[in-house]
This record gives sequence, C-alpha cells and structure tokens, in this order.
Amino acid sequence: SQQGEEDPQALSIQEGENATMNCSYKTSINNLQWYRQNSGRGLVHLILIRSNEREKHSGRLRVTLDTSKKSSSLLITASRAADTASYFCATDDSNAGKSTFGDGTTLTVKP
Amino acid sequence: GAVVSQHPSRVICKSGTSVKIECRSLDFQATTMFWYRQFPKQSLMLMATSNEGSKATYEQGVEKDKFLINHASLTLSTLTVTSAHPEDSSFYICSARKPGGNTIYFGEGSWLTVV
Repeated sequence: SQQGEEDPQALSIQEGENATMNCSYKTSINNLQWYRQNSGRGLVHLILIRSNEREKHSGRLRVTLDTSKKSSSLLITASRAADTASYFCATDDSNAGKSTFGDGTTLTVKP
Repeated sequence: GAVVSQHPSRVICKSGTSVKIECRSLDFQATTMFWYRQFPKQSLMLMATSNEGSKATYEQGVEKDKFLINHASLTLSTLTVTSAHPEDSSFYICSARKPGGNTIYFGEGSWLTVV
C-alpha cells in the first residue's frame, strides 16, 4: 500500500496566490523528496529534505518536514500558470530501503 | 545534473512485441535499483527491486514473467515488457540508491504506448 498520502488531491488557485500541498507518511524515513510532473511528461525533481532538517528553500519553493508528525508540506509562493502540474512526495523508507510515492496533488493555477 | 538516466523517454510498440527500457546510474554504482509504474491519473507504484547479480524482487501482483528485470552491471538495470498489450501502456520510472549519501535518485521516466 502507498505510504504517502497527499492532500489536497486537487487544488485550484489564481496566479499570484500561494499553493500549499501536504504529504503524510507512516514509517521512519531517511529523507523526503518532492517532484513535479506535467501532464504526459516525466518527473522533475524539486527538492530533497533530509530527516534531520526541518525546512528548506529553493526559489519560490519552501518545504517543511515534521518527523514527529510524519508529515511534510510544499509551499509554492507567487504561483504562475506554468506551475500547473501534479506534485508528488516520495519518502525514502529507512527500514525498507526503498522509496514510496504519495498519491499526488494536482495543482491548477489560473492566469 | 541527472544522476540516473532512462532510455527511451518515449516508446511506441505494437501489441505482442517486447520492449526494453534502460536505467543507468551515471556517476555511481548501484547495487539496487527500483522500478515503478504509474497508471493514468494515479501515483507511482513500486513494481520490483532490481538487485545486481541476482534475481529481482517483485511486489505483490506484479507478473515477473511479464516484466523481466535484468541488473547485469552496477550501473545498468533493464525492464523488458514482454508480449506487450495496450493495457501495459503506462509511465515507467526507475530509481537507484547512491552510496554514501544514502539518497535515492529517480530517472525522468519512460512513457510506453502499446498500439
């Protein structure tokens, strides 16, 4: 079964607004990664946050990790129409030695 | 830059034929690689774990005779979809664990269309 659960499943916002997506997981992890996937395209790596980190920034992206709650969030600030895509979290399970993807959030940014 | 490369990125094949997808670790040796599949509008599900020099470990429900995995070298794993059918059309992606940093890196994925 999927370890990661993401919410919301779908998010629609206006250009310029911020978008927040959440990912919850169940086991101990080494790290957590966020990916973007445009429709019909491959995965694009966005950011990796390690289990001993609480927050990371990359451009308009801000990722937080709360290992006590087993959750992570991805914030996209000042969204653009080009940010329209599906976003997935992938957890690196420290016990199982493999990664598991969340269900994904489909983000639509309206111009 | 990319540390895991997949080829081809897109492939179309005829029903009944076999198609091979390659996954390469570019600057490190990977004793273990992973193969995932994404059904339309769904997330990515682990299919199998590819182990260098030994048999792959398949997840429950994945047909090992349908999806042949070969990990013949420390930098290359291949997934062969045998006797492909239209329902095998999907997005397939691999990943590899980089030693030392304890990080799993994903390839960009391969889109398979069976016509």
